[in-house]
Amino acid sequence: GENVEQHPSTLSVQEGDSAVIKCTYSDSASNYFPWYKQELGKGPQLIIDIRSNVGEKKDQRIAVTLNKTAKHFSLHITETQPEDSAVYFCARIECGNKLVFGAGTILRVKS
Amino acid sequence: NAGVTQTPKFRILKIGQSMTLQCTQDMNHNYMYWYRQDPGMGLKLIYYSVGAGITDKGEVPNGYNVSRSTTEDFPLRLELAAPSQTSVYFCASTFSGNTEAFFGQGTRLTVV
Repeated sequence: GENVEQHPSTLSVQEGDSAVIKCTYSDSASNYFPWYKQELGKGPQLIIDIRSNVGEKKDQRIAVTLNKTAKHFSLHITETQPEDSAVYFCARIECGNKLVFGAGTILRVKS
Repeated sequence: NAGVTQTPKFRILKIGQSMTLQCTQDMNHNYMYWYRQDPGMGLKLIYYSVGAGITDKGEVPNGYNVSRSTTEDFPLRLELAAPSQTSVYFCASTFSGNTEAFFGQGTRLTVV
């Protein structure tokens, strides 16, 4: 499938600051975009997702925005905490619920 | 519920050896997947299955084989291990009507 480009590859923020991770895709047919968090030594876990008929979705300190025209979507984490430190993956979905992942962003929250 | 269980957690193989990575799920999910994770590359799909008896190739299937004889189990077979297969392997599962994938804790494989 067509790739998902994810930036930045690493992100270091001070505790309490915001973090933003951006992803772009090229397949116009894509209509579902999940974000997964991977903690050290564990498998990825879904934290938030967005469908193409919605521009923004929030869940407490986490939000995702989608710009279908520009084909990009972003993860926003506000008031970051040390436990937010992890690897974050954006993805798009193909038929068969197959996930096409971005390369990942290592987020480090400094206390 | 245990969710998705992978064994072993770690393994070192010599070049040319074979092994099977085990994956089992107790959520009665019909869809199952194998991904490999390499540093800086995200996760790449190796094989997937939409139900017992049905398997299909993903993006990087060369060097691997799978089978799906039951809903619960989806083993991944490496026949002739090569250094390029050094990676972390993740098994995942989901329902056909659901988009959230549930992942196992991974198997770290080193081929020397």
